[in-house]
Amino acid sequence: QQQVKQSPQSLIVQKGGISIINCAYENTAFDYFPWYQQFPGKGPALLIAIRPDVSEKKEGRFTISFNKSAKQFSLHIMDSQPGDSATYFCAARVGETSGSRLTFGEGTQLTVNP
Amino acid sequence: GAVVSQHPSRVICKSGTSVKIECRSLDFQATTMFWYRQFPKQSLMLMATSNEGSKATYEQGVEKDKFLINHASLTLSTLTVTSAHPEDSSFYICSANMVRGRQFFGPGTRLTVL
Repeated sequence: QQQVKQSPQSLIVQKGGISIINCAYENTAFDYFPWYQQFPGKGPALLIAIRPDVSEKKEGRFTISFNKSAKQFSLHIMDSQPGDSATYFCAARVGETSGSRLTFGEGTQLTVNP
Repeated sequence: GAVVSQHPSRVICKSGTSVKIECRSLDFQATTMFWYRQFPKQSLMLMATSNEGSKATYEQGVEKDKFLINHASLTLSTLTVTSAHPEDSSFYICSANMVRGRQFFGPGTRLTVL
């Protein structure tokens, strides 16, 4: 059972454009929603994360929008750059103990054309 | 920031041999580490949760005798792929949770079994 569904599977954006990746979850117990960026041959790197008590969080060009009632959250990359070309994973987790495990979306391969 | 390292970064071995992958938290103590497996263009698949001083918890479908996990200290967990076969070829990634639950990933280990 896929508890976090991510779309689109791939995305092509022109330099300077806005990249938008969406995720939907089923488990209402999730209380932490991070986004990870992964380059080929590398491990995922934490990009930005949000908790359900806020509807939006912005860090530089990256913004998470969170809709608790719809059980959806999205990543917006403003002024997309070729260096942003990577695979992006949304994730969700219950609790923040050391043993809390992440549930990942399927991933989105982003290509930003120069 | 927190760093999780893995060694080796890539390994090529013959079918039937065993391979050990180390995961270290470099500047924090991790009572729990996670081991993932990732196939090309796919999401991360949790294999097991490694607990310091106790037995690992394996996900359904993961052979515990095939993938031996040892969490000997608060900064080191090891994954041993026993009697490796070509179908075990994959990208193996470990991660650890810090305080407040931020999860950091290692750079990954590319295993190729000939």
